[in-house]
Amino acid sequence: EAAVTQSPRSKVAVTGGKVTLSCHQTNNHDYMYWYRQDTGHGLRLIHYSYVADSTEKGDIPDGYKASRPSQENFSLILELASLSQTAVYFCASSSDRGRGNTLYFGEGSRLIVV
Amino acid sequence: GQQVQQSPASLVLQEGENAELQCNFSTSLNSMQWFYQRPGGSLVSLFYNPSGTKHSGRLTSTTVIKERRSSLHISSSQTTDSGTYLCALDPNSNNRIFFGDGTQLVVKP
Repeated sequence: EAAVTQSPRSKVAVTGGKVTLSCHQTNNHDYMYWYRQDTGHGLRLIHYSYVADSTEKGDIPDGYKASRPSQENFSLILELASLSQTAVYFCASSSDRGRGNTLYFGEGSRLIVV
Repeated sequence: GQQVQQSPASLVLQEGENAELQCNFSTSLNSMQWFYQRPGGSLVSLFYNPSGTKHSGRLTSTTVIKERRSSLHISSSQTTDSGTYLCALDPNSNNRIFFGDGTQLVVKP
């Protein structure tokens, strides 16, 4: 079974502070993704990466940075957290952007910005 | 997302009833996936189904590319089926996978 682990699982951050969400996968997958989910809505893609040391913008990248230092690790960085970034964040990995393989998700990181 | 529309938005069933969840898309299709999101938030893959019909226990997924739709059928629902069901579309044009807003299912005993 594929394994994607996220940390922290929950966090309260102050407005203007820096937040780093970490994701680690042991699947040997090339693709990793960061999604955001707001209450009652589906997932929206923030950033993704298909190879180490490279990241791509998703649909809602503003206010977020991403880092892929190795194949296994993918971080989401909020340099200046804002109230509107309160949400649940999910990391996922796949072996070939879903072609013939599915997305494997982490447990989610609940972020509250106050 | 706008490229993927799910219906109904919510559904309440009595245990034992069947459910039909729909996902309609407006773009080309490389793949369609269905996920179950537990009330606690974690997501579980149900089907990877780019076309045709697939079965898994009481669940059936059918994707008809020409009609730009995919459905998830739940037979003989159980209270443990309660949660949110999400479809996700890979449109084959880039590396982005678009999610619908989900169907929130409540199965009452």
